[in-house]
Amino acid sequence: RKEVEQDPGPFNVPEGATVAFNCTYSNSASQSFFWYRQDCRKEPKLLMSVYSSGNEDGRFTAQLNRASQYISLLIRDSKLSDSATYLCVLNYGQNFVFGPGTRLSVLP
Amino acid sequence: DTAVSQTPKYLVTQMGNDKSIKCEQNLGHDTMYWYKQDSKKFLKIMFSYNNKELIINETVPNRFSPKSPDKAHLNLHINSLELGDSAVYFCASSQDGYEQFFGPGTRLTVL
Repeated sequence: RKEVEQDPGPFNVPEGATVAFNCTYSNSASQSFFWYRQDCRKEPKLLMSVYSSGNEDGRFTAQLNRASQYISLLIRDSKLSDSATYLCVLNYGQNFVFGPGTRLSVLP
Repeated sequence: DTAVSQTPKYLVTQMGNDKSIKCEQNLGHDTMYWYKQDSKKFLKIMFSYNNKELIINETVPNRFSPKSPDKAHLNLHINSLELGDSAVYFCASSQDGYEQFFGPGTRLTVL
């Protein structure tokens, strides 16, 4: 089993739609969790950290379930500018492990 | 002011050559990383240095040799380049396992 697995995508959704991405991980020693966003031919950038209690940042909501080793990202009211690849990332110590990413295309 | 910078941005070279990529961060972070992103877009860690000491060394051919002259710089030297080395190489830095900041990437093409 891979260390971090994500929905393969691509997800093609109309503007205004709500879309959810899932991520599962195998290392129970993982300490911190993040969602990164990577635009085409650009570097990954932090979208949001994921906290055990769940957290929200505007249209974005992240959830963590340690028991099931599962992380999710919900995007509400999708914008064209949300089109990107979303990377699930976990960390233990100084080591960061990236998932393969889920590609999102928001269509007009 | 760029937080993490890499040079060069593009590198096109022949098989068998030796090349270097440089990385600098001005964030005062203790830890720096090299990642490889191949054509399938999978981002895989290669090396990590903490305060100039190597702490992560994944299964990477020994043709790849990182060097950290100080904690703000982490360079990557590649000997005897092969076709399979073609990829985008990202440098990143972080502090205490929090957010990683990435450089813009170096797109290496080996002909």
